[in-house]
Amino acid sequence: QVQLVQSGAEVKKPGASVKVSCKASGYTFTSYYMHWVRQAPGQGLEWMGIINPSGGSTSYAQKFQGRVTMTRDTSTSTVYMELSSLRSEDTAVYYCARGEYCSGGSCYSRRTLAEYFQHWGQGTLVTVSS
Amino acid sequence: DIQMTQSPSAMSASVGDRVTITCRASQGISNYLAWFQQKPGKVPKRLIYASSSLQSGVPSRFSGSGSGTEFTLTISSLQPEDFATYYCLQHNSYPPTFGQGTKLEIK
Repeated sequence: QVQLVQSGAEVKKPGASVKVSCKASGYTFTSYYMHWVRQAPGQGLEWMGIINPSGGSTSYAQKFQGRVTMTRDTSTSTVYMELSSLRSEDTAVYYCARGEYCSGGSCYSRRTLAEYFQHWGQGTLVTVSS
Repeated sequence: DIQMTQSPSAMSASVGDRVTITCRASQGISNYLAWFQQKPGKVPKRLIYASSSLQSGVPSRFSGSGSGTEFTLTISSLQPEDFATYYCLQHNSYPPTFGQGTKLEIK
């Protein structure tokens, strides 16, 4: 069965960086893009960016450009999200979520539609406080 | 970016009521629309994908409809476990965008 297991809660000071991991299992790691979404306390869901685990290419939300870096390690089927220059407004639960199905250089809309964001990590609480 | 306007933002209803939540996209998104349910402290759970396809294991009282710019999530007969926050998500074009959420409370 598909599982996305995230790293544990973090407490950081303003200005620091945090790196959250998401370890995938139960499927071919390189066949699905991975997204990161965050949710501040009492707020809605906010998309942060995406990584293609196959080639490592990324795309980030404008809001986080310059502060976020997404990487992957295919040997351990793990994706990472690093957010720098943390401020109190970055206090949130961070989720990874499996997205598009892509294989052999092509993405498949029918399968993507059926599986998009079906699987999420359990969430990682990042608290930014002095 | 495509804006997803979800309404209402909050509502109260009673067990057994029929409830409809709407998402409007600022431009056409075909059927690339999913609905999620989130309970406090829990991970969002996908209910509906491709606008109207029911996720396996989700009760049949949940249904989705729409295409283009207007979408609805309907709960035909509210159960106690349905009181939660609901979100729509479009993924027709980048960046994917969520509606702001609808908090469904007990009347």
